[in-house]
Amino acid sequence: ILNVEQSPQSLHVQEGDSTNFTCSFPSSNFYALHWYRWETAKSPEALFVMTLNGDEKKKGRISATLNTKEGYSYLYIKGSQPEDSATYLCASHTGGGNKLTFGTGTQLKVEL
Amino acid sequence: EAGVTQFPSHSVIEKGQTVTLRCDPISGHDNLYWYRRVMGKEIKFLLHFVKESKQDESGMPNNRFLAERTGGTYSTLKVQPAELEDSGVYFCASSQVRGISNQPQHFGDGTRLSIL
Repeated sequence: ILNVEQSPQSLHVQEGDSTNFTCSFPSSNFYALHWYRWETAKSPEALFVMTLNGDEKKKGRISATLNTKEGYSYLYIKGSQPEDSATYLCASHTGGGNKLTFGTGTQLKVEL
Repeated sequence: EAGVTQFPSHSVIEKGQTVTLRCDPISGHDNLYWYRRVMGKEIKFLLHFVKESKQDESGMPNNRFLAERTGGTYSTLKVQPAELEDSGVYFCASSQVRGISNQPQHFGDGTRLSIL
């Protein structure tokens, strides 16, 4: 993996469904993996910063896991609600500076 | 605590004109970043200031872009002359700790730049 890749590109689920999406990133020179929630015309909101292999973080109904050896992270949303509708971005932070390399995002739409 | 603020929120200019975007980071944040998202693509890094010094400007596309952070507080990003491919959303972000950090970067709402 040379770039940060996210899948699926978009996802439609029903209210109450649980869902998950994937972020793949280069595992060499890894420093941290960032997850953001972004609603169009608003600022991307930081969800998690993950650094350790095997790390798992949780914020309400949203959780994330990290595998730095194979270069992937999963984001889970339990019991999706319409207000969870947004684009979820992951960004890789490799050593040598603070710049983030973003994926194109997973656009989630939660329908009633 | 006020978040990262950007001005203007939207700018429409003609090709060849000049535009200046402004970013006010969160008070006390030494690190300030500029990113850009061209339609349909990922958010891409432009540059990173630590206080008034440019730490990394590897993402600046060409010499039509000039970023400054005089006094280490707010920053400006000037595009002169603007070209059609410069259209996109320009984000600013800030973080507190100097050096390589695993802190989140706090983003502003972005400036939507449209070049006609």
